[in-house]
Amino acid sequence: RKEVEQDPGPFNVPEGATVAFNCTYSNSASQSFFWYRQDCRKEPKLLMSVYSSGNEDGRFTAQLNRASQYISLLIRDSKLSDSATYLCVVDRAGNKLTFGTGTQLKVEL
Amino acid sequence: EAQVTQNPRYLITVTGKKLTVTCSQNMNHEYMSWYRQDPGLGLRQIYYSMNVEVTDKGDVPEGYKVSRKEKRNFPLILESPSPNQTSLYFCASRGTGRSEQYFGPGTRLTVT
Repeated sequence: RKEVEQDPGPFNVPEGATVAFNCTYSNSASQSFFWYRQDCRKEPKLLMSVYSSGNEDGRFTAQLNRASQYISLLIRDSKLSDSATYLCVVDRAGNKLTFGTGTQLKVEL
Repeated sequence: EAQVTQNPRYLITVTGKKLTVTCSQNMNHEYMSWYRQDPGLGLRQIYYSMNVEVTDKGDVPEGYKVSRKEKRNFPLILESPSPNQTSLYFCASRGTGRSEQYFGPGTRLTVT
């Protein structure tokens, strides 16, 4: 079983739609959780950290369920510019980040 | 401007010819890492460094070497490259206690 698992997609959605991505992780000792965004052939960039209480940044909401070892990302009112690959990232300890393989999102007119 | 730089950005080489990919950051970060990214496998950590002269293996270290003689630089060395090392490589840095990891622009390596 992979340490971090994501549905690869692609998710093709119309502009304005709400879309949700899920991610599961296997190591219950994982300490920190993140969503990164990666545009085609570019470097990943931090989208948001994920906190146990859930957190929101504009149109983006992240949730963490430690009991189920599950992380989610919700994007509301999706824009064309949201088209990218979204990487779920788990920090096992210190600098040992484990990346999911990513979920591809395509927002269409 | 805060950034991580890598050179070269693109490299085509032949099996067995030693190469070095340089990485430099200007943010005084303690942590630096190297990753490779392959289709269907995602980003996998090759080596990381927690500070000068402190390095450790990541998940896929075979065939690679690193050094950390200065805080800002973390070169990746392939002593004898092989075709299975054809990949997209990213260097990254992160400050102590900080959550955000900054990535370089990537180096696309092809070994024939």
